[in-house]
Amino acid sequence: NAGVTQTPKFQVLKTGQSMTLQCAQDMNHNSMYWYRQDPGMGLRLIYYSASEGTTDKGEVPNGYNVSRLNKREFSLRLESAAPSQTSVYFCASSGPGGSTGNSPLHFGNGTRLTVT
Amino acid sequence: AQSVTQLGSHVSVSEGALVLLRCNYSSSVPPYLFWYVQYPNQGLQLLLKYTTGATLVKGINGFEAEFKKSETSFHLTKPSAHMSDAAEYFCAVSRNTGFQKLVFGTGTRLLVSP
Repeated sequence: NAGVTQTPKFQVLKTGQSMTLQCAQDMNHNSMYWYRQDPGMGLRLIYYSASEGTTDKGEVPNGYNVSRLNKREFSLRLESAAPSQTSVYFCASSGPGGSTGNSPLHFGNGTRLTVT
Repeated sequence: AQSVTQLGSHVSVSEGALVLLRCNYSSSVPPYLFWYVQYPNQGLQLLLKYTTGATLVKGINGFEAEFKKSETSFHLTKPSAHMSDAAEYFCAVSRNTGFQKLVFGTGTRLLVSP
């Protein structure tokens, strides 16, 4: 049981390049999330998908797009990378109702992205 | 809206000493509260949660936290630190109704010395 799998683990981009971060979960969870983690700022929600077929903006969506490809997969795309997007990106999933006490978040191991 | 404040970006303790990590929350509705732990180069894992009922919540690895509504606090404690407890700890809050999205604090790094 792999849980939440993110690829790639590391990536270096030049300013203006594009890339897609991939995320897949095998826990049959309805909800999926993308967070970014920056020193001293904790985790901030970029986008989430409450259920297959829906996506919504989180706290810091500018510069990103997402696709909920199916129930298992939720990708994050940077169309034109900027140095401010240098961060560690985490994908997470949870059961019905969101990140409730009965269905906490399950996280992947993250993607370390550097934009030069 | 919900928010979380974690006092102290770094906390240092000796092995065997009491661990106390502070968390205060702000919420316009009754909250759900969580502590997550992050070990190096890994994602976050749930340590414990408060939803309803008993205000003293026990989690994994000997940690516990007490929900104090009057103080809007949810501090994390462990009576005796182990070297393996060295990690970053995040407090988080969500609403208790509707679709819930966690709001995380900025994290506290726990350092444990021999």
